[in-house]
Amino acid sequence: EVQLVESGGGLVQPGGSLRLSCTASGFIASNYYIDWVRQAPGGGLEWVANVRQDGHDTNFVDSVRGRFTISRDNAKNSLFLQMNSLRVEDTAVYYCVAAITFMGGRYWLDSWGQGTLVTVSP
Amino acid sequence: IQLTQSPSSLSASVGDRVTITCRASQGISSFLAWYQQKPGKAPDLLIYAASTLQSGVPSRFSGSGSGTDFTLTISSLQPEDFATYYCQHLNSDPFTFGQGTRLEIK
Repeated sequence: EVQLVESGGGLVQPGGSLRLSCTASGFIASNYYIDWVRQAPGGGLEWVANVRQDGHDTNFVDSVRGRFTISRDNAKNSLFLQMNSLRVEDTAVYYCVAAITFMGGRYWLDSWGQGTLVTVSP
Repeated sequence: IQLTQSPSSLSASVGDRVTITCRASQGISSFLAWYQQKPGKAPDLLIYAASTLQSGVPSRFSGSGSGTDFTLTISSLQPEDFATYYCQHLNSDPFTFGQGTRLEIK
């Protein structure tokens, strides 16, 4: 069974840092794109970033580019979202998503973790 | 690329046929997915590539469209379908989502 488990969320002050972890099971995470999607309290979904299979190609939404980075630890079948210079508006549930289904030239976001809450507050 | 869903909210009854639309600000071919999200849960992929049903999703769900205009149709609403629905494009990053459509029981 494909499963993703996020961890590392919590309360942090503005300007601080957090490192989210995403541990995969039931599949080899390094074979697929992995995305991060967030959802502010009571809000909609926002795509944040993704990383290619080789870990070298990463993409970010403008609002986090330069502050967030993604890395992989293939030996642990895990990924990490390093979040620096956090802002109040980064407060959200962060989901790790595996894009396993491939069709029409795209990997589709079909396997979601349960999410981890990040709260940025003074 | 911006995605605009309509309506933002919808009240319907069990057994109704419901259609939700998603309009892209520029052409995105068929690079569109639909998700269902229930309160406190992660989203579930319903449809990808505009019209392909994800494995395990009931056949009452269907998707259509290409270019800029897309629809999600539920042919006969069931009690478990009351949720929020999102579209997302995968044409080019950032892979933005629509603002969501909340489907409520009438």
